[in-house]
Amino acid sequence: DSGVTQTPKHLITATGQRVTLRCSPRSGDLSVYWYQQSLDQGLQFLIQYYNGEERAKGNILERFSAQQFPDLHSELNLSSLELGDSALYFCASSVADRGRVGYTFGSGTRLTVV
Amino acid sequence: LAKTTQPISMDSYEGQEVNITCSHNNIATNDYITWYQQFPSQGPRFIIQGYKTKVTNEVASLFIPADRKSSTLSLPRVSLSDTAVYYCLVGAGGNTGNQFYFGTGTSLTVIP
Repeated sequence: DSGVTQTPKHLITATGQRVTLRCSPRSGDLSVYWYQQSLDQGLQFLIQYYNGEERAKGNILERFSAQQFPDLHSELNLSSLELGDSALYFCASSVADRGRVGYTFGSGTRLTVV
Repeated sequence: LAKTTQPISMDSYEGQEVNITCSHNNIATNDYITWYQQFPSQGPRFIIQGYKTKVTNEVASLFIPADRKSSTLSLPRVSLSDTAVYYCLVGAGGNTGNQFYFGTGTSLTVIP
């Protein structure tokens, strides 16, 4: 157990729908990162939050959004889902957001869009 | 961004020492070098991090030459359970943003 909790572990939904993925960071970590991993794309960085504020944006689609709440948990919202959004979505956390940053990853949410 | 280049795949026999090299010619002064291990359908796991020279922990060693344009992850006496993908990341985070990007990684297969 890495200390980063992601729910749900599996999610199956239809095209056009909206889902929310949840992440609780490791105790004491202020930064949360979201990654998407599909077979043909590798690990793609989506977005980072630090202590409630958006810190960096990667290859996140406009149909996707995220936020970090005061208790530091984060949610990734995926809307108007397409078949190509099927992937593993990982959340990672770290204490800092710069310098000697080492990520702790959760076990991921496997999203299947049918 | 500090782009990294690693071999796509490597094979090794059990009990051998494995060295995986990562090239990062554009590394910046503030950048750290971090290596992760990923098993199928699991999140990457932090292995080791360094800035210069040599770092060793209970699972691996990291060698960084003086120019820091490359680094080598050394896994002593690998076992079948070390079969995984290994990624090197280079960056310092913050506004540089270049710590976030995983390359294609090196797929290590340990052979009995």
